[in-house]
Amino acid sequence: AQSVAQPEDQVNVAEGNPLTVKCTYSVSGNPYLFWYVQYPNRGLQFLLKYITGDNLVKGSYGFEAEFNKSQTSFHLKKPSALVSDSALYFCAVRDGSTNAGKSTFGDGTTLTVKP
Amino acid sequence: GAVVSQHPSRVICKSGTSVKIECRSLDFQATTMFWYRQFPKQSLMLMATSNEGSKATYEQGVEKDKFLINHASLTLSTLTVTSAHPEDSSFYICSAREHKSNPGETQYFGPGTRLLVL
Repeated sequence: AQSVAQPEDQVNVAEGNPLTVKCTYSVSGNPYLFWYVQYPNRGLQFLLKYITGDNLVKGSYGFEAEFNKSQTSFHLKKPSALVSDSALYFCAVRDGSTNAGKSTFGDGTTLTVKP
Repeated sequence: GAVVSQHPSRVICKSGTSVKIECRSLDFQATTMFWYRQFPKQSLMLMATSNEGSKATYEQGVEKDKFLINHASLTLSTLTVTSAHPEDSSFYICSAREHKSNPGETQYFGPGTRLLVL
């Protein structure tokens, strides 16, 4: 079984400040981790993923995430938040040791960046 | 990134009618497609996984006779909500992946379809 926890329903940040959206995971095989962003009434847009290699992954729109195996975390970060970053963010995990390939999504974190 | 489209973006129908939602991969061949349902302020609930040319695999609790999925080509999957009822009102999102045997491959999502059953 695999699962994802996003412990914060809501994150509020002032524009220009750094932001962090937390994600922890549980998977029996190799963790493949993904971050997506969803704007109102839209589908999900891919931001970044960790499959293997460097623990720090850089993605779209200046976002990055750090894979931490010991803490089973994959927190999403951005050095300087923009108002336009306000959206719903989903973390997802997939077991990389199987071809079954189903992703499990967290419950989502609403990020609000205030001017 | 790859583009996935959905049609219609919004549909209102009467209770008892059937509604078909199309999902297309525009610039890649989608070996695997996923259908999700999302309730307001909630996460995505996977309904079914379909591989091109095969029958869809439904998640536990999802009625396969109610939510008919067809993945007849590498660029098109359809979800038909049969005999729709108000409780079927939701946001339906499809997702596509090019290679079913590569678990590290990114899933790309359609823009979603808002279904309202009166």
